[in-house]
Amino acid sequence: AQSVAQPEDQVNVAEGNPLTVKCTYSVSGNPYLFWYVQYPNRGLQFLLKYITGDNLVKGSYGFEAEFNKSQTSFHLKKPSALVSDSALYFCAVRANQAGTALIFGKGTTLSVSS
Amino acid sequence: EAGVVQSPRYKIIEKKQPVAFWCNPISGHNTLYWYLQNLGQGPELLIRYENEEAVDDSQLPKDRFSAERLKGVDSTLKIQPAELGDSAVYLCASSPTGANVLTFGAGSRLTVL
Repeated sequence: AQSVAQPEDQVNVAEGNPLTVKCTYSVSGNPYLFWYVQYPNRGLQFLLKYITGDNLVKGSYGFEAEFNKSQTSFHLKKPSALVSDSALYFCAVRANQAGTALIFGKGTTLSVSS
Repeated sequence: EAGVVQSPRYKIIEKKQPVAFWCNPISGHNTLYWYLQNLGQGPELLIRYENEEAVDDSQLPKDRFSAERLKGVDSTLKIQPAELGDSAVYLCASSPTGANVLTFGAGSRLTVL
């Protein structure tokens, strides 16, 4: 069975500092991995994905994520946080098989203070 | 281009009443999803459509939930009768067939009293 774990309910960082939001996954076979962001009263917005290729993927708004197969992790990172990055972040995974569903983690609230 | 449109955005009903949510996906997106998002949780898939066919409804509680996607475009999700535990946000998403990235609507927040 597929699953995603986001071990931190909340991450607090100061503006200008680097940020990391953690994600680990479990899936049969090769994973497709995603990060989405949700702002209050809005739907989820796609940030970035890993399908194949380079382990470091770059996405929207300066975010990046590193796929680590041995640790089954896909942590979201940004070198310098902005107050406007404050939101709810979801990691998601699905197996590399047609017809499999996208499974989301429970989310991590990122709070960036000025 | 309009994104995924959902209505109503908010709905408050008494328990045992029926409720329906509507979703208009992005034009040309053949795949449509309904997700349930409980407070403090990630979205959970309820049903996935390919055109007008429900290809994955294994997580849809069929005793009270139903969905349809007539003509393979708009979709409606219905709950009858609603229970207190159904209070949540119902998200609709769409994608081109076989695409990996989903586009989500803003969601419909249901409160059952």
